Amino acid sequence: AQSVTQLDSQVPVFEEAPVELRCNYSSSVSVYLFWYVQYPNQGLQLLLKYLSGSTLVKGINGFEAEFNKSQTSFHLRKPSVHISDTAEYFCAVSESQGGSEKLVFGKGTKLTVNP
Amino acid sequence: SQTIHQWPATLVQPVGSPLSLECTVEGTSNPNLYWYRQAAGRGLQLLFYSVGIGQISSEVPQNLSASRPQDRQFILSSKKLLLSDSGFYLCAWSGGLAGGPVTYNEQFFGPGTRLTVL
Repeated sequence: AQSVTQLDSQVPVFEEAPVELRCNYSSSVSVYLFWYVQYPNQGLQLLLKYLSGSTLVKGINGFEAEFNKSQTSFHLRKPSVHISDTAEYFCAVSESQGGSEKLVFGKGTKLTVNP
Repeated sequence: SQTIHQWPATLVQPVGSPLSLECTVEGTSNPNLYWYRQAAGRGLQLLFYSVGIGQISSEVPQNLSASRPQDRQFILSSKKLLLSDSGFYLCAWSGGLAGGPVTYNEQFFGPGTRLTVL
């Protein structure tokens, strides 16, 4: 069975500082990987996804993530954060199961950007 | 374009009362549909998913049930709510985009329903 571990439950940073949100997964087969962002009392919005090809994936709002198969990681990075990036971030993994792909989510990382 | 609706946005219900949350998707056909619950500090838990009308798979045993009476409609129900049913309920869809290739890898989420059981 697949699982996702987000190593940090909370990450406080100052505005314009770089940030890395860590995600590790476990799976016995090939996976697809996703990062979602959730603003307070809203649904989840896709930031970026890795399906195949280049291991460096660029997403919306200046975020990027790198798929590392040997380390089973998919860490999210942004070189300079803004106050508006304050939100909860979820890493997710999926495996194909007969056309009904299910996502397994990590428990989330709350990013707080301080002025 | 595709949109997903959930209602109500917020709901406060007494213990033992029934529940019905609705989710509808526009702009696509034959989607996979999902119900998640988000409890504080516990991430997202998949409750049910559906690959077609009348086809429901339950992920965890619980006090809730789901139904899919139409292709783009997904309903979450309970006959008697428990305190532990409180949480933020999210509906999601994946599947073929209208006029484009079929892909089930990415899920699109609705705005959610905040349920408080007192």
